[in-house]
Amino acid sequence: NAGVTQTPKFRILKIGQSMTLQCTQDMNHNYMYWYRQDPGMGLKLIYYSVGAGITDKGEVPNGYNVSRSTTEDFPLRLELAAPSQTSVYFCASSSGYEQYFGPGTRLTVT
Amino acid sequence: GESVGLHLPTLSVQEGDNSIINCAYSNSASDYFIWYKQESGKGPQFIIDIRSNMDKRQGQRVTVLLNKTVKHLSLQIAATQPGDSAVYFCADRDNYGQNFVFGPGTRLSVLP
Repeated sequence: NAGVTQTPKFRILKIGQSMTLQCTQDMNHNYMYWYRQDPGMGLKLIYYSVGAGITDKGEVPNGYNVSRSTTEDFPLRLELAAPSQTSVYFCASSSGYEQYFGPGTRLTVT
Repeated sequence: GESVGLHLPTLSVQEGDNSIINCAYSNSASDYFIWYKQESGKGPQFIIDIRSNMDKRQGQRVTVLLNKTVKHLSLQIAATQPGDSAVYFCADRDNYGQNFVFGPGTRLSVLP
């Protein structure tokens, strides 16, 4: 099993550009999550999903969108990138208890 | 709202000593807690978990203690090794069932 995979690993965006962060898991987990981690800080929940077709906002959803058309994939969309979205983004999946995290995407918006 | 926090942002211990990392939580309805380890440049990795109906759980070299009276959680690492150097996060599952709230983390440095 590959676990949770994320692409890209790194990305630099200009202000106002858009992009999609990809997340895929092969563990057949129902629950998937997107977090952001700012330097020296903990993880903040952006969006989560309890199953295909179902998504909900977390603590910091503004400026982001998600979709969950399949169990495996949970992409995160940034429509109008802002410097405040510079962060490391982690995707995670769970069967109901412990979460398995991907390696992260380091995003810089300049 | 609920929050999970750590008492100390950094902790330095001598190799071979025991480490204790603390965590406070505020939601008395929290029912499940996890400790994660995050090494530089990597995603958090599960270490150990505990449910609210327990007060102690042991793993390999790690023990988690839960004190519901004072809403306190701790992670004990026995015989700390250089490979234990990382940031440790506690996370608390909210009372809706599937969201976790993470604390800011404690950086553990193991001294030779």
